[in-house]
Amino acid sequence: GAGVSQSPSNKVTEKGKDVELRCDPISGHTALYWYRQSLGQGLEFLIYFQGNSAPDKSGLPSDRFSAERTGGSVSTLTIQRTQQEDSAVYLCASSLSRGRNTEAFFGQGTRLTVV
Amino acid sequence: GESVGLHLPTLSVQEGDNSIINCAYSNSASDYFIWYKQESGKGPQFIIDIRSNMDKRQGQRVTVLLNKTVKHLSLQIAATQPGDSAVYFCAENLFNAGNMLTFGGGTRLMVKP
Repeated sequence: GAGVSQSPSNKVTEKGKDVELRCDPISGHTALYWYRQSLGQGLEFLIYFQGNSAPDKSGLPSDRFSAERTGGSVSTLTIQRTQQEDSAVYLCASSLSRGRNTEAFFGQGTRLTVV
Repeated sequence: GESVGLHLPTLSVQEGDNSIINCAYSNSASDYFIWYKQESGKGPQFIIDIRSNMDKRQGQRVTVLLNKTVKHLSLQIAATQPGDSAVYFCAENLFNAGNMLTFGGGTRLMVKP
């Protein structure tokens, strides 16, 4: 597609279950970000991938959170043993990195509800 | 912008008035800045950007001002309309962060009819 695609758009899971959230970035974009946004609040940085460099994981809130980016394209954010406080919208963004000054394009997000 | 927690401040303006949304950034090495608009239920969308070699840039009804001396960025919206109601985020590009954009906390703009 032409934009950043995230799936599923909505996910309801039981506390303690694992979930996987998927992000398909714009083709050719080498940078990929994951953010978390709680209701009515700002963007909380989670993780950043840039080409083949080691990802910046400094925003991951606990070791229950992990992310991979396979083949420099699709990324999966995994949350293990979900807790109610994990409920939020998870946003993915991608950008070109041919220079340093490039905007990021966002997907519509995955709304995660842990019950 | 500064990371001052994730609680969103709110700016309420009358329809037709001009709006000014402010953002402070912390890294003097940042050389690229973007404003994003996020409507309810959607991901943030690009509005306008500015490079550090400029003080001002204008778009359609929007103007971004950059004051590098005090590390301040502002977004001005002329003749604010109900459709402008959204959350606005500034973002900065950190020179030593491998092209990573860092987002500010956001401001909620509410337009009263």
